[in-house]
Amino acid sequence: DQQVKQNSPSLSVQEGRISILNCDYTNSMFDYFLWYKKYPAEGPTFLISISSIKDKNEDGRFTVFLNKSAKHLSLHIVPSQPGDSAVYFCAASGRGAQKLVFGQGTRLTINP
Amino acid sequence: GAVVSQHPSRVICKSGTSVKIECRSLDFQATTMFWYRQFPKQSLMLMATSNEGSKATYEQGVEKDKFLINHASLTLSTLTVASAHPEDSSFYICSAGYSAMNTEAFFGQGTRLTVV
Repeated sequence: DQQVKQNSPSLSVQEGRISILNCDYTNSMFDYFLWYKKYPAEGPTFLISISSIKDKNEDGRFTVFLNKSAKHLSLHIVPSQPGDSAVYFCAASGRGAQKLVFGQGTRLTINP
Repeated sequence: GAVVSQHPSRVICKSGTSVKIECRSLDFQATTMFWYRQFPKQSLMLMATSNEGSKATYEQGVEKDKFLINHASLTLSTLTVASAHPEDSSFYICSAGYSAMNTEAFFGQGTRLTVV
């Protein structure tokens, strides 16, 4: 049972445009959501997070949107840069827990 | 952010041998660390929660006698893959955070284990 789903295994975006990565979840007890970026053979790097009491969090080029009623979150990257090419994982956790449930990941490729 | 160091980054071993992977929090104390495994083109899956000074908590389907976890200090957790077999070949990653109430987990670099 996949509690966190990233239905797009890959996404290709032109440099300078907006990248939108999507994530859906099924467990209504999730309280905290995170996005990680991962390069091959490396551990994930934290990007941005959002608490369930918010619907938007912004940090520089990265913005995460949370729609609790739809159990959906998205990561917007604008403008997209070649260095953004990586695999992006969304993750969720319950209240106060660091135990994360990950989605399958989306491979983002930024084309020059 | 906090630094979590994992060693070794890559190991190749013969079937039947045991392999130890270390996870260290370099600039903070971690009462809890987490061990994940990632198979090719799949998500990170939590294997176990490592608690300093007590037994680890394993996720369903993870053999505790094969994946031995020791969290002897606030800065070090080890995962030993006992009597490794080719099907144990995977990417293993640990994570830790500042406190139990902080959900921003920091990850180690990961260990690519290949059992031949």
